[in-house]
Amino acid sequence: AQSVTQLDSQVPVFEEAPVELRCNYSSSVSVYLFWYVQYPNQGLQLLLKYLSGSTLVKGINGFEAEFNKSQTSFHLRKPSVHISDTAEYFCAVSSGGSYIPTFGRGTSLIVHP
Amino acid sequence: NAGVTQTPKFQVLKTGQSMTLQCAQDMNHEYMSWYRQDPGMGLRLIHYSVGAGITDQGEVPNGYNVSRSTTEDFPLRLLSAAPSQTSVYFCASSYRGGRGLGTDTQYFGPGTRLTVL
Repeated sequence: AQSVTQLDSQVPVFEEAPVELRCNYSSSVSVYLFWYVQYPNQGLQLLLKYLSGSTLVKGINGFEAEFNKSQTSFHLRKPSVHISDTAEYFCAVSSGGSYIPTFGRGTSLIVHP
Repeated sequence: NAGVTQTPKFQVLKTGQSMTLQCAQDMNHEYMSWYRQDPGMGLRLIHYSVGAGITDQGEVPNGYNVSRSTTEDFPLRLLSAAPSQTSVYFCASSYRGGRGLGTDTQYFGPGTRLTVL
């Protein structure tokens, strides 16, 4: 079985400050890990993904995430956020034998001017 | 390449009415799924399909039916609408991951906002 925990439901931050959105997963086998972003009144779109190889993954809009197998984490970071980064962010895990990924409950990133 | 399309964008129903939410993808993806999104609940899986003719239930299947007669289309039917089905519905498609692992990137449609009065 696989599961995902997003530790913060809401993260307020000021513009140009750094941000980290936390994600922990559980799975007994090797996994794929994803971060998706949902802007207001839109569908979800892929931000970045880890399939294999380097544990530091770079995505769109300056975001990056680090896969930490020992801590079963895949935290999302950005060194300097913009107002336009205000959105809902979802972490997801997909493991062997699963047809559909498991999503976390989402973290609302609110960037204040 | 249109990706994943959903119709309608908005719908208002009365309790007891039935309707079908349409979903189509043009990427030849094997896997398709339906989610509902409610405030504070994240995405909840309703039904999914791993190929034409093959469907299975997700976390919240009650009150919904699906079928998949072609690779491209995966409609979601509400049999008798209830106010509890007021939600935003997303369809997604994806392809199998490599190396025997799970599914790769999910491609989402723009959503259907449904209100049941």
